[in-house]
Amino acid sequence: DIQMTQSPSSLSASVGDRVTITCRASQGMSNYLAWYQQKPGKVPKLLIYAASTLQSGVPSRFSGSGSGTDFTLTISSLQPEDVATYYCQKYNSAPHTFGQGTKVEIK
Amino acid sequence: ELQLVQSGAEVKEPGESLKISCKKSGYSLSTDHIAWVRQMPGKGLEWMGIIYPGDSDTRYSPSFQGQVTISADKSINTAYLQWSSLKASDTAIYFCARGSLAGMAYDYWGQGTQVTVSS
Repeated sequence: DIQMTQSPSSLSASVGDRVTITCRASQGMSNYLAWYQQKPGKVPKLLIYAASTLQSGVPSRFSGSGSGTDFTLTISSLQPEDVATYYCQKYNSAPHTFGQGTKVEIK
Repeated sequence: ELQLVQSGAEVKEPGESLKISCKKSGYSLSTDHIAWVRQMPGKGLEWMGIIYPGDSDTRYSPSFQGQVTISADKSINTAYLQWSSLKASDTAIYFCARGSLAGMAYDYWGQGTQVTVSS
C-alpha cells in the first residue's frame, strides 16, 4: 500500500507569509490527491482535490500542485483564520491513506 | 442539500459491543460510497474503510480489518460502524464521509461521533 508522508509536521509563520506543505507518496501515483483543513474541534474540510483543483468556496490563497510522488499545498498569504492542521490524502484505490498532518500556527 | 448526520456520543466499558450510524439526507445513499475515519485524542486522521451501500461492497484498511465491521442499509440511507468487543484504545472521534472508489475526494463529512471506552 502507498504511504503518505507530510512535511513539516508543524510550522509557525507570520500573517502574510507564504506557507508550503509537502506530501510525499511512497510510490508514484495518479493525481487523486486531496488536501483537507481541520480546525481545532471541527470537522475536516476539503480544500483541494485532483492535486490542484480548488474546492468551491475555498479562498484563492490556497493552491495545490505536484504529480507522481511529490505534492504541495501552498497558502500564498497566511491569514489568522488559516490556523489549523492540514492533511493530504490519496483517494484513488483503497486504502485512502491520509498523511500524518501538518499543524500551522501564527508566529 | 446533502447532509451526513451521525449518531450521538457513546460511553462504553471494555468488552461491550457498539454500533454507530451515519444517515445521509438530501439524496439516495446507494449512489455514493461512505467512508469511516478515526481520530484518536490529539492525533491525526486514520482511514478505516469504505462501503458502497448499493451492493455492500466494502474495503478495509489493513489496520482495521477484523477489528470493526462496516455495513449499510440503503433502504434507510444509513451506514454503520460496529465493534463486537471494545477496547480502551478504541476511544476516539469517528467521522463518516462521502467518498468513492472511483476517484472522488471526501466533500461531505458527518459531524463526528465521540466514542469513549473506559471502565
